[in-house]
Amino acid sequence: GQNIDQPTEMTATEGAIVQINCTYQTSGFNGLFWYQQHAGEAPTFLSYNVLDGLEEKGRFSSFLSRSKGYSYLLLKELQMKDSASYLCAVRDNAGNMLTFGGGTRLMVKP
Amino acid sequence: EPEVTQTPSHQVTQMGQEVILRCVPISNHLYFYWYRQILGQKVEFLVSFYNNEISEKSEIFDDQFSVERPDGSNFTLKIRSTKLEDSAMYFCASILGVGQPQHFGDGTRLSIL
Repeated sequence: GQNIDQPTEMTATEGAIVQINCTYQTSGFNGLFWYQQHAGEAPTFLSYNVLDGLEEKGRFSSFLSRSKGYSYLLLKELQMKDSASYLCAVRDNAGNMLTFGGGTRLMVKP
Repeated sequence: EPEVTQTPSHQVTQMGQEVILRCVPISNHLYFYWYRQILGQKVEFLVSFYNNEISEKSEIFDDQFSVERPDGSNFTLKIRSTKLEDSAMYFCASILGVGQPQHFGDGTRLSIL
């Protein structure tokens, strides 16, 4: 089975940096994905990690430690439009299906 | 940039009726998925499809659900006899090959009355 935990809500200030954590306990592991989801819309792919370390993509970075079952998404230079839910998802060994965490709702304040 | 497209955007159906949700995956993609998201809850995997057959399915995907790729472009999800608890957003996704990130369509909001 899969268990994926993320904080339910976070608040940050425009222009700041925020780190959203995700921990997982899974029967298999074949990659961790981060998606952004605005209310009422589809998840949009942000980044993924298969190996340990940091992946950087513009204002967004994602880190993975497989031994600790831990990942984080780092958002820099926050903008108001970054207010959304951020979903952590794990792909298991059996196939390509994704198991999602409950999402972290980020509110960016002026 | 190519997109996954889904129709309709909103479907309202009476309980017990059959409903078909339609998806057009990205044209050269080979793996197709359906997920659902009940309002306020997490995204849940339903089924994956490759080479004209189901490759994985979850406990949610019971005998009331079926998927089909009737032609070279469409991928459909059918719910045979809808229940109130089937009300949710249904997302289709596709990938070109193993290991690629999944790209989601805009979803169909299914409301069962």
